Amino acid sequence: NAGVTQTPKFQVLKTGQSMTLQCAQDMNHNSMYWYRQDPGMGLRLIYYSASEGTTDKGEVPNGYNVSRLNKREFSLRLESAAPSQTSVYFCASRALGIRQFFGPGTRLTVL
Amino acid sequence: KNEVEQSPQNLTAQEGEFITINCSYSVGISALHWLQQHPGGGIVSLFMLSSGKKKHGRLIATINIQEKHSSLHITASHPRDSAVYICAVKAGGGADGLTFGKGTHLIIQP
Repeated sequence: NAGVTQTPKFQVLKTGQSMTLQCAQDMNHNSMYWYRQDPGMGLRLIYYSASEGTTDKGEVPNGYNVSRLNKREFSLRLESAAPSQTSVYFCASRALGIRQFFGPGTRLTVL
Repeated sequence: KNEVEQSPQNLTAQEGEFITINCSYSVGISALHWLQQHPGGGIVSLFMLSSGKKKHGRLIATINIQEKHSSLHITASHPRDSAVYICAVKAGGGADGLTFGKGTHLIIQP
């Protein structure tokens, strides 16, 4: 039981490049989330998915797209990376009524 | 939008001391979470509570819904408790996801 896994752990991009952050959970959770963490800002919600086939915007969705591929996987895509998207990205999941489980994070640098 | 304020921002204490971290929020919620983030970066959820008090080992979390306030207590603190402690709230109704405080940096010195 791996919990929540994220790939890659680290990534460096040039401005304008695209990439997809992958997240998977093996706990059969319905809800999945993408957060970003910036110094002095705390964690902020980018997108979430309450169930397979549904996605909704969070607090800071601009510049990102998501796909809930199936119940296990929830990916975050940066179509044209910008330096302002340099951050640590966390994926999380939960089932109804229980606490969230977080992945180990992806540290992204956009030059 | 819910505002989540934590205090103190930084706390250094000696091993064995009783630690209290506070969290206040501005709008009614359905649940409050306490999270722990170690220097390596991983985030672990410690508690989720909507009323009263919960205890797990040396950690105790309380919430006062009327006052919109929660506290996290650590008894007999130990250097391994050194971490960032983050308060997060979930709004009521259909909104999902959490709103986070900026965290309290705790250092326990031997």
